[in-house]
Amino acid sequence: QVQLQESGPGLVKPSETLSLTCTVSGGSLNDYYWTWIRRPPGKGLEWIGFVYDSETTSYNPSLQSRVTISTDTSKNKVSLTLTSVTAADTAVYYCARREITHLDVWGKGTTVIVSS
Amino acid sequence: QSALTQPASVSGSPGQSITISCTGTNSDIGTYNYVSWYQQHPGEAPKVIIFNVNNRPSGVSKRFSGSKSGNTASLTISGLQAEDEGDFYCSSYTSTGTPWVFGGGTKLTVL
Repeated sequence: QVQLQESGPGLVKPSETLSLTCTVSGGSLNDYYWTWIRRPPGKGLEWIGFVYDSETTSYNPSLQSRVTISTDTSKNKVSLTLTSVTAADTAVYYCARREITHLDVWGKGTTVIVSS
Repeated sequence: QSALTQPASVSGSPGQSITISCTGTNSDIGTYNYVSWYQQHPGEAPKVIIFNVNNRPSGVSKRFSGSKSGNTASLTISGLQAEDEGDFYCSSYTSTGTPWVFGGGTKLTVL
């Protein structure tokens, strides 16, 4: 049974870089789209982007210039990097695996607060 | 403001049926049969309960069903149980902007 666990700093200062890791256990990274989603306080879910086979990526146009999603297959980890963060990036961040048309496995999420 | 519109909250008594709507546009729900629904209990990971409009993953109760009409998708829960309480999110493939959009979420309360 595949399980996902997000981790990273809970507090990031404005203008700094947010780095999160998703550790995948019980399965391989191969052949799946690994996706990051976030939920700002009081708002709905927002798709951030995905990585496939360590090479193919797609990002939300609103975040394109600041976001990078990558994989480390040797460690079975998926990473999210978001630069120049502001308070608007405060959210619960989720890692999920996409099974063609839907997200079939999710992590519990990790809360990130952007504040000085 | 989310791309897909859901009611903020719904409620029902045990044994009753409730329906949660999810309204999009011709660029998403109206064109593609890639609507999925996710249930989330506090402190837990979201879980897919419906995919491709009306398909249930293995292990999901038959009390959950999905449908679509025009630009609106619906999730119906029959025989409501206390354990059904939680947040529900819809999602759809879209041809505009990001490839996938979500609803704002609906909080279900079992009275």
